[in-house]
Amino acid sequence: GENVEQHPSTLSVQEGDSAVIKCTYSDSASNYFPWYKQELGKRPQLIIDIRSNVGEKKDQRIAVTLNKTAKHFSLHITETQPEDSAVYFCAASIPGNQFYFGTGTSLTVIP
Amino acid sequence: NAGVTQTPKFQVLKTGQSMTLQCAQDMNHEYMSWYRQDPGMGLRLIHYSVGAGITDQGEVPNGYNVSRSTTEDFPLRLLSAAPSQTSVYFCATRFSQGSGNTIYFGEGSWLTVV
Repeated sequence: GENVEQHPSTLSVQEGDSAVIKCTYSDSASNYFPWYKQELGKRPQLIIDIRSNVGEKKDQRIAVTLNKTAKHFSLHITETQPEDSAVYFCAASIPGNQFYFGTGTSLTVIP
Repeated sequence: NAGVTQTPKFQVLKTGQSMTLQCAQDMNHEYMSWYRQDPGMGLRLIHYSVGAGITDQGEVPNGYNVSRSTTEDFPLRLLSAAPSQTSVYFCATRFSQGSGNTIYFGEGSWLTVV
């Protein structure tokens, strides 16, 4: 089955700096890559997603890039704010199959 | 529209006890699933269902049973609780099994087995 690896496991940045989280996947058939944000004690919630026919997608301060050849995708958060502090999960999905999640990145934005 | 509703939110069990975690959705989603979340291990799939009457095993099914008698409900049963089942459990739904449809999580159930 699919194997999704996520790095780093923890990340601390100063407020206003950028944060980058990277994921790799193993199955070239995967074609949908969502990112979830989970605040402490809350459920994971979708923040952005990208499909395999797109190389980059942006939504205000967050963006996701996808390199299908290298089988990796990344989440970029610019101008970080304290409320961006959370655990972020990447996932990969194969058509007609399950979601496979990365192990999560705990992001801390230092005011 | 409540979305995905899980009960109970918190539960403490003794080793060997059984219990059921309830999951109900009002979005008419065909696909329902259960994940467990443990520190450093992300979200791991326990069981899933692609429609009423159909269930299948995920990555970590041992010690758990599920059933899907209706579209709306997908209960998760712990047959004989063990301390290794201490975890946070999330029910998640999706409109269809097709790709590109993201999943929606319930609020989670915190389970402690002592």
